[in-house]
Amino acid sequence: NAGVTQTPKFQVLKTGQSMTLQCAQDMNHEYMSWYRQDPGMGLRLIHYSVGAGITDQGEVPNGYNVSRSTTEDFPLRLLSAAPSQTSVYFCASSYFGQGLYTGELFFGEGSRLTVL
Amino acid sequence: AQSVAQPEDQVNVAEGNPLTVKCTYSVSGNPYLFWYVQYPNRGLQFLLKYITGDNLVKGSYGFEAEFNKSQTSFHLKKPSALVSDSALYFCAVSSNTGNQFYFGTGTSLTVIP
Repeated sequence: NAGVTQTPKFQVLKTGQSMTLQCAQDMNHEYMSWYRQDPGMGLRLIHYSVGAGITDQGEVPNGYNVSRSTTEDFPLRLLSAAPSQTSVYFCASSYFGQGLYTGELFFGEGSRLTVL
Repeated sequence: AQSVAQPEDQVNVAEGNPLTVKCTYSVSGNPYLFWYVQYPNRGLQFLLKYITGDNLVKGSYGFEAEFNKSQTSFHLKKPSALVSDSALYFCAVSSNTGNQFYFGTGTSLTVIP
């Protein structure tokens, strides 16, 4: 099983450039989310989705956009990258819904982004 | 608002000794609590969770955690540490709706041979 797949694994951007981090899962999970991991800060939730067509903001949504057109995919877009967005980004998914909520998040391997 | 705190950035323990990684929580309502482990350059992996029921929760790789409501704690424990347990450990709590997860800042565990 592939689980949660993130691409790219590494990316270097210049300030002001845009890019999309891709996330795909093959477990038919309703819930998908994006986190950023920074030293001493732990993981902070950027955006999440509880199903296709439904997205919502987390703790640190500014500078990021998401969409959920299918159950499998949840891309994260940086419209105008800033050095403060240098971080490691993780996508995570979970079962969600009455009778199926387990709370266990399945994480991708991460995408390391550097903004110069 | 939901939050967790991990008071120790670093924990060192000798191989074969018991280990404890501390976590305290602050929630409104019933807490859903989790422990995850992260190995270098990898994503987080689920270890165990407390939703309801028995206060002692057993998880993967011989880890267990004790939910203590009076002390608002959810410490991770293992009776005998292995060098391979060296990793970064995160405590987490979910919101009552389950829509958002809040992670601690992480504790780096080093098991010394």
